[in-house]
Amino acid sequence: DQQVKQNSPSLSVQEGRISILNCDYTNSMFDYFLWYKKYPAEGPTFLISISSIKDKNEDGRFTVFLNKSAKHLSLHIVPSQPGDSAVYFCAASANSGYALNFGKGTSLLVTP
Amino acid sequence: EAGVVQSPRYKIIEKKQPVAFWCNPISGHNTLYWYRQNLGQGPELLIRYENEEAVDDSQLPKDRFSAERLKGVDSTLKIQPAELGDSAVYLCASSLGGAETQYFGPGTRLLVL
Repeated sequence: DQQVKQNSPSLSVQEGRISILNCDYTNSMFDYFLWYKKYPAEGPTFLISISSIKDKNEDGRFTVFLNKSAKHLSLHIVPSQPGDSAVYFCAASANSGYALNFGKGTSLLVTP
Repeated sequence: EAGVVQSPRYKIIEKKQPVAFWCNPISGHNTLYWYRQNLGQGPELLIRYENEEAVDDSQLPKDRFSAERLKGVDSTLKIQPAELGDSAVYLCASSLGGAETQYFGPGTRLLVL
């Protein structure tokens, strides 16, 4: 049973615009959430994380928002750049960092 | 600082053959994870080590899969015998402790024919 869901398999955004990637989860025990970026033939690269005590975390062009009541988080990339084109995975864990439960990923394409 | 190192990067074997994957975590990282990623899916945990102890192997198919981390540093994941359904990318990750961010290696892409 998929506990972390990324319902958009793909997203295309123009360079300079905002990219919004969404993620939903079902397990109310999850208290730590991460986004990973993956290029072809490489392992996932950690991007940004947020704990359940916060509702927003920002790092440069990347911001993650957490809505615990809706069991929903989103990753905003502003402004989007062609180098951001990759597959983005949402992941969640209970007890802050043990086994990660991943979504299926969203493939982002940023066009010039 | 060197990242997580995995070898080989690619492996093609025939079904029923054995195969082994090796992982060297980031220096100083006590926690090591093996994940499997099937095509079109996110990674799924197989086993987690705290130093040399396997603290979570509930998702490891123990009839054919085995893993070890004898000195609490590098680790080996073995499949014997391999089946067609084992074709996947096998990812190793490490973290400072169990509650820290996990960093992934490049993975080993296995194809079983």
